[in-house]
Amino acid sequence: AQSVTQLGSHVSVSEGALVLLRCNYSSSVPPYLFWYVQYPNQGLQLLLKYTTGATLVKGINGFEAEFKKSETSFHLTKPSAHMSDAAEYFCAVKRAGGGNKLTFGTGTQLKVEL
Amino acid sequence: EAQVTQNPRYLITVTGKKLTVTCSQNMNHEYMSWYRQDPGLGLRQIYYSMNVEVTDKGDVPEGYKVSRKEKRNFPLILESPSPNQTSLYFCASSLRRGGTTDTQYFGPGTRLTVL
Repeated sequence: AQSVTQLGSHVSVSEGALVLLRCNYSSSVPPYLFWYVQYPNQGLQLLLKYTTGATLVKGINGFEAEFKKSETSFHLTKPSAHMSDAAEYFCAVKRAGGGNKLTFGTGTQLKVEL
Repeated sequence: EAQVTQNPRYLITVTGKKLTVTCSQNMNHEYMSWYRQDPGLGLRQIYYSMNVEVTDKGDVPEGYKVSRKEKRNFPLILESPSPNQTSLYFCASSLRRGGTTDTQYFGPGTRLTVL
């Protein structure tokens, strides 16, 4: 069975600083990996996903993530944080050939300070 | 506008009083799913549906029922709610059953409190 670990339930950065949210996965077969963002009082919105091909994936709002098989990681980054990035971020995994089932991490709350 | 809608958005009820949370999507998606979100636990799947009249249990199905009589609707039913079902609930849908690379689209959530 696949699983996802997000290190750090709360991350705080200054506006303009680098954002790094960590995600590690375990999967016995090649995974498909997703990052979702949840703004306050809203549903989840897809930021980006890795399925096949290029391991560096660019998403919306300036975010990107790199699939590193050797490290079983899919960390989310953004070069310069903006106040509007404050939200909860979820990493999720699907197993190749495993259909639609998404397995989520426990989430990371990002706080952006002036 | 392509979307997943849920109603109600907020609900406070008492133990044992049957309730239904509706979910509807207008994207002609085959796959639909219900999740609950609890602090520190992320999202956990309750039930899912691959198509009309095809439903199956997710990871935390106890105390819940679902039905899929029409492709667009996937209601979540709590026949006898208990306080441990107090949570934030999300409905989601994606285009194809078995569509591993498909994006799941989420509704806005329903915050349920059971007293």
